[in-house]
Amino acid sequence: EPEVTQTPSHQVTQMGQEVILRCVPISNHLYFYWYRQILGQKVEFLVSFYNNEISEKSEIFDDQFSVERPDGSNFTLKIRSTKLEDSAMYFCASSDIVSGELFFGEGSRLTVL
Amino acid sequence: AQSVSQHNHHVILSEAASLELGCNYSYGGTVNLFWYVQYPGQHLQLLLKYFSGDPLVKGIKGFEAEFIKSKFSFNLRKPSVQWSDTAEYFCAVNGAGNTDKLIFGTGTRLQVFP
Repeated sequence: EPEVTQTPSHQVTQMGQEVILRCVPISNHLYFYWYRQILGQKVEFLVSFYNNEISEKSEIFDDQFSVERPDGSNFTLKIRSTKLEDSAMYFCASSDIVSGELFFGEGSRLTVL
Repeated sequence: AQSVSQHNHHVILSEAASLELGCNYSYGGTVNLFWYVQYPGQHLQLLLKYFSGDPLVKGIKGFEAEFIKSKFSFNLRKPSVQWSDTAEYFCAVNGAGNTDKLIFGTGTRLQVFP
C-alpha cells in the first residue's frame, strides 16, 4: 500500500540552527500538508500546499517557516532559525483530489536544545 | 469557527469493558469525519472515516462510530477493549468533497489495564 515517508525520524539541533524536514507524499496525490504535535498536546495544522504554492497556513506558520516541493517528489518544511518551542513531532500528510482523506507519515521528531 | 471537541481527556478501563469516546464538531457545511489512533511512540493511523451514507461506520480493530448530524457528534465505540487499545485517539473533521485541512480535537488518552 502506498505510504507517506518522512526523514529524518529524529533530529536534534541547537537553537538558532536551520532545519529541513523532508517528506515524500503518495505519488498521485496533489495536496500536501504539514502538521505538528508538541509533546502531550493536540495535532496542529501548519500549512497546506497545492499547485506549487501555499493554499493555507496557520498563525503558527510564521516567517521562520517555509515549504517547497523542489523536485516533484519531495515536500520539505524548513525552519530558518529554530527556537526551543519548535520542539515537536512534525507530520507530513498528502491527499488526492477526490476523497478528502489525508494520509500521514510517521513523523519527524525535532528536538531543539 | 471550525472546531472539534473531545470531552474525555483521559479514560481508564479494564479489559473487556465497553468504550465510548465523545466527539462534537463545529463546521459550516457538509463534513467528512475521522477518527485517528496514535499508539505510544507511533504516528497517526486512520481508524475509520465517514464521508456519506450509512451514519454507522465500522473501522479496523472492532471500532465503530456513529455520525449524528442533529447533535454534530461522531462518537467512537468499541464493545470490548483490549490492553493493546491503549493509545491516544483523535477525532478530526474537514469539509466534504474537497481537500480542506483536517481540524483535530485535543485527543483522548485511553489506558486499558489487564
